[in-house]
Amino acid sequence: QVQLEELGPGLVKPSETLSLTCVVSGGSISSYYWSWIRQPPGKGLEWIGNSYYSGSTNYNPSLKSRVTISVDTSKTQISLNVSSVTAADTAVYYCARNPPYATPYGYYYYYMDVWGKGTSVTVSS
Amino acid sequence: QSALTQPPSASGSPGQSVTISCTGSSSDVGDDNHVSWYQQHPGKAPKLMIFEVNRRPSGVPDRFSGSKSGNTASLTVSGLQAEDEADYYCTSYAGRNNHVIFGGGTKLTVL
Repeated sequence: QVQLEELGPGLVKPSETLSLTCVVSGGSISSYYWSWIRQPPGKGLEWIGNSYYSGSTNYNPSLKSRVTISVDTSKTQISLNVSSVTAADTAVYYCARNPPYATPYGYYYYYMDVWGKGTSVTVSS
Repeated sequence: QSALTQPPSASGSPGQSVTISCTGSSSDVGDDNHVSWYQQHPGKAPKLMIFEVNRRPSGVPDRFSGSKSGNTASLTVSGLQAEDEADYYCTSYAGRNNHVIFGGGTKLTVL
């Protein structure tokens, strides 16, 4: 079955760009949206945004100016970049798959059926 | 976008039923049936328990059920078991902006 693994540096300096990669194995990257979600220590989950395999993206308005999500179908990877990071960006970052849900009005991609184990990122000098 | 409102905690004894609420607005929870619920044990990734208000993915026990009334969705766990002790999060699709909104989470304790 499909598995996701988040990769990236565990430590990022303030004002720099946080870059993470989610590697997809055991399944297709096509026909799905792919989300990034984060969880600060001791706090709840926050949806960062998602990207369709063809490139269409949606972002959390609170992060939109600093976030870029992209899908590389040739490498079956999803990337996340968060610029100008501060201590508030310290969190466990998860990638997850959004499958299509069919309705008479079209397809919706909102729930996350497969999750990676997450990777911890600390922002500190 | 504001987070959906969940009670910070809930509890019940083994065998009992517990219901966790998730309140949003007419722009998200109340707008359609695109509500999902996740279970998260400490140090683990979240797990999908319910989607489309009341649908269970394969492998999720039927002790878990969902419902919705107006702007409030609910997750009910029947026949509580020790392994149900976890954090539970609701989400809703906010269609106007193609966003996903999380609730603040509810810590379920099995007494």
